[in-house]
Amino acid sequence: RKEVEQDPGPFNVPEGATVAFNCTYSNSASQSFFWYRQDCRKEPKLLMSVYSSGNEDGRFTAQLNRASQYISLLIRDSKLSDSATYLCVVNGNSGAGSYQLTFGKGTKLSVIP
Amino acid sequence: SQTIHQWPATLVQPVGSPLSLECTVEGTSNPNLYWYRQAAGRGLQLLFYSVGIGQISSEVPQNLSASRPQDRQFILSSKKLLLSDSGFYLCAWSTVGSYNEQFFGPGTRLTVL
Repeated sequence: RKEVEQDPGPFNVPEGATVAFNCTYSNSASQSFFWYRQDCRKEPKLLMSVYSSGNEDGRFTAQLNRASQYISLLIRDSKLSDSATYLCVVNGNSGAGSYQLTFGKGTKLSVIP
Repeated sequence: SQTIHQWPATLVQPVGSPLSLECTVEGTSNPNLYWYRQAAGRGLQLLFYSVGIGQISSEVPQNLSASRPQDRQFILSSKKLLLSDSGFYLCAWSTVGSYNEQFFGPGTRLTVL
């Protein structure tokens, strides 16, 4: 099983749509969870941390299910500017301690006018 | 506020040539520092991380090396580049805390010919 697994997409959605991305992780000892976005040929940027109780930041909602080792990201009222690749990221808690983050390969989102 | 710089932004090098990429962080002290590589169409691969001056841990055996001569400076080097070293090299920093978010520099796009 891959450490962090995401559907690569692409997800092509019209402006204003709601879209959800899912991610599964294999390390049950993981403690920290994040979503990053990466624009084409740019560095990844932190979108939001994912807390156990779930959290919301404007149009973005993240959920964590530890029992199923599953993370989700919901984007409401999609904007053209949301077009990017979304990376699911999990703290590895490996031999590197809590320092190592494991990145999924990303889900590509294209918001269409 | 914290900022992270990387240079150069792009680099084209012949096979067998040496490499030196530099990363510096401003606005924070004693950060954890990381080097990642992202090959075309692939996820981020952690190459090295450092928790302090002179302390380097390697995650993947390869012909690259890293050094941390100062608290906020991280250098990635190679004595002889291979074609397979082409990719997008990203430096990141984090503080040690409960969530350990990492923040990325703008990256160096390296092409080895």
